Amino acid sequence: QVQLVQSGAEVKKPGSSVTVSCKASGGTFSSYAINWVRQAPGQGLEWMGGLIPAFRTARYAQKYQGKITISADHVTSTAYIELKSLRSEDTAVYYCARGGNVDMATPFTHWGQGTPIIVSS
Amino acid sequence: DIQMTQSPSSLSASVGDRVTITCQASQDISNYLNWYQQKPGKAPELLIYDSSKLETGVPSRFSGSGSGPDYTFTISSLQPEDIATYYCQQYDKLPLTFGGGTRVEIK
Repeated sequence: QVQLVQSGAEVKKPGSSVTVSCKASGGTFSSYAINWVRQAPGQGLEWMGGLIPAFRTARYAQKYQGKITISADHVTSTAYIELKSLRSEDTAVYYCARGGNVDMATPFTHWGQGTPIIVSS
Repeated sequence: DIQMTQSPSSLSASVGDRVTITCQASQDISNYLNWYQQKPGKAPELLIYDSSKLETGVPSRFSGSGSGPDYTFTISSLQPEDIATYYCQQYDKLPLTFGGGTRVEIK
């Protein structure tokens, strides 16, 4: 049974950074790409980027180049997304999501529970 | 980037009604089209993949069709538990992109 469990909600100051984790269980961690999806309050879903753990290859939406870093720890089967230089507009729920193969471009069959990040002075 | 135009943005229907949502891509996406359901405060769930394939465990009242750039999602008989927001998503090319969502309410 595949499960993605994310770290808890955070409140951060503008200009700071935050790292959200996504621990996977069930299945072979390296065999599946992990993606990150953002949902601002009352808004839709937005793909931010993804990582293929087996190849340590990350791809980012152009909007988030330089803003985020996606990484993974194979030992703990955990993926991470670091968001830098936080602004109030980064207030959102951040989801990790995984499909059924190594490709990022795949249906997302499993999702984490979401991590709310609030950016406020 | 491939733009996904989803309509309507919201709809209200009665229990038992047939509900249809459309999604148009800015280019041919070769059936690489998914539909997700998101209930308030919850993560999205995959309902349909490859434009028309039903994910395991999803009720058969949900269906999808389409080709090229144009796709349709249908609930054949709306149930109270179907109240949610539905999103289309293309996975033909990176960056993956979603439609704006359709909020479905009970009349």
